[in-house]
Amino acid sequence: GAVVSQHPSWVICKSGTSVKIECRSLDFQATTMFWYRQFPKQSLMLMATSNEGSKATYEQGVEKDKFLINHASLTLSTLTVTSAHPEDSSFYICSAREGGRVVQPQHFGDGTRLSIL
Amino acid sequence: QQQVKQSPQSLIVQKGGISIINCAYENTAFDYFPWYQQFPGKGPALLIAIRPDVSEKKEGRFTISFNKSAKQFSLHIMDSQPGDSATYFCAASVETSGSRLTFGEGTQLTVNP
Repeated sequence: GAVVSQHPSWVICKSGTSVKIECRSLDFQATTMFWYRQFPKQSLMLMATSNEGSKATYEQGVEKDKFLINHASLTLSTLTVTSAHPEDSSFYICSAREGGRVVQPQHFGDGTRLSIL
Repeated sequence: QQQVKQSPQSLIVQKGGISIINCAYENTAFDYFPWYQQFPGKGPALLIAIRPDVSEKKEGRFTISFNKSAKQFSLHIMDSQPGDSATYFCAASVETSGSRLTFGEGTQLTVNP
């Protein structure tokens, strides 16, 4: 159980285009989803937290107009990198947490490798 | 105060040996301490987690030791296998504040055959 699917797993696109990444919880309802960015051989950096039906909360230094997050349903969150540039190239990972009285652990997707040419 | 310090940065162990990774934290409000295992090109997978009301938790070959007074916790991998070669991250969160995870820097474990 607790499977999080992320799509696409790898995307290459030209500078200036927008890229959408999907994160789905396949067998549970995710009241909260998190988006991370990871550079090679580094730790995960939290970009934003989104609760279903609410606006995302962005971490300090993360441009909300650059990284658009939508969490419209209990099983789907999307991250759109707008007008992507080479410096946006990175490994983007989502995680999802089920709601309830007892706080559940975060379960991670397999990440999306984004390469901007 | 939100940092979690992890060591060592890299670790090489022989097959069958014990791998030990350590983490230290400052924020005494942290009340949930998970360990994640990450293989190249994949997302982190939850390995084992502990809450501060116990000093040790064991699941198979993996054990977390927790020292609340020292604000330290560690992961022990017994009988290490080449398939355990991966990057390991400790993390901590305050569960009543939305479970926002603070990650350690990661440890790259290599288990030689």
